[in-house]
Amino acid sequence: AQSVTQLGSHVSVSEGALVLLRCNYSSSVPPYLFWYVQYPNQGLQLLLKYTSAATLVKGINGFEAEFKKSETSFHLTKPSAHMSDAAEYFCAVTKGYAGGTSYGKLTFGQGTILTVHP
Amino acid sequence: DAGITQSPRHKVTETGTPVTLRCHQTENHRYMYWYRQDPGHGLRLIHYSYGVKDTDKGEVSDGYSVSRSKTEDFLLTLESATSSQTSVYFCAISESGGLGQYFGPGTRLTVL
Repeated sequence: AQSVTQLGSHVSVSEGALVLLRCNYSSSVPPYLFWYVQYPNQGLQLLLKYTSAATLVKGINGFEAEFKKSETSFHLTKPSAHMSDAAEYFCAVTKGYAGGTSYGKLTFGQGTILTVHP
Repeated sequence: DAGITQSPRHKVTETGTPVTLRCHQTENHRYMYWYRQDPGHGLRLIHYSYGVKDTDKGEVSDGYSVSRSKTEDFLLTLESATSSQTSVYFCAISESGGLGQYFGPGTRLTVL
């Protein structure tokens, strides 16, 4: 079984400050990991994904995440927050191919709402 | 953006009535999924499909059924709607199953 824990349901930063959204996962097999962003009244947009290649993954809008197996973490960062980054962010996990067929079923964390202050 | 549409986008219905939500894709992706999103719960998988006529249950499937008679369409049916099924429903598609899903705009369903 897999699970995802996002630490902090709300994170508030000032414009220009570092953004750090935390995600820890639990998986009995090598995982694939994802970050999604959801703007108000919209669907989810894929930000970035880890699929067992490079452990530091770069995504859209200047975000990146690092897969740390020893810490079972996949934290999302951005060096400088922008007002347009205000949204809800979801971390998700699925079995990697080495873990056998999962049909790509995702297990999501509870979400973190990011607020950016001027 | 991936070509995914959901219909209707908003619906209000009464307890006990059947409701069908439609997801339509133009990407010819094999995998399709239905989720519900509720505050404090993130997204939870209801049902998924890994091919035409091939479907299976997710973690919150009670009270829901699905059908997929064509690659492009995945229907979610609430057999007898209850107030606990008031939620936002998202459809997602995936080409390879393991490399990420692409989401539709959602359907907001209210059951009175």
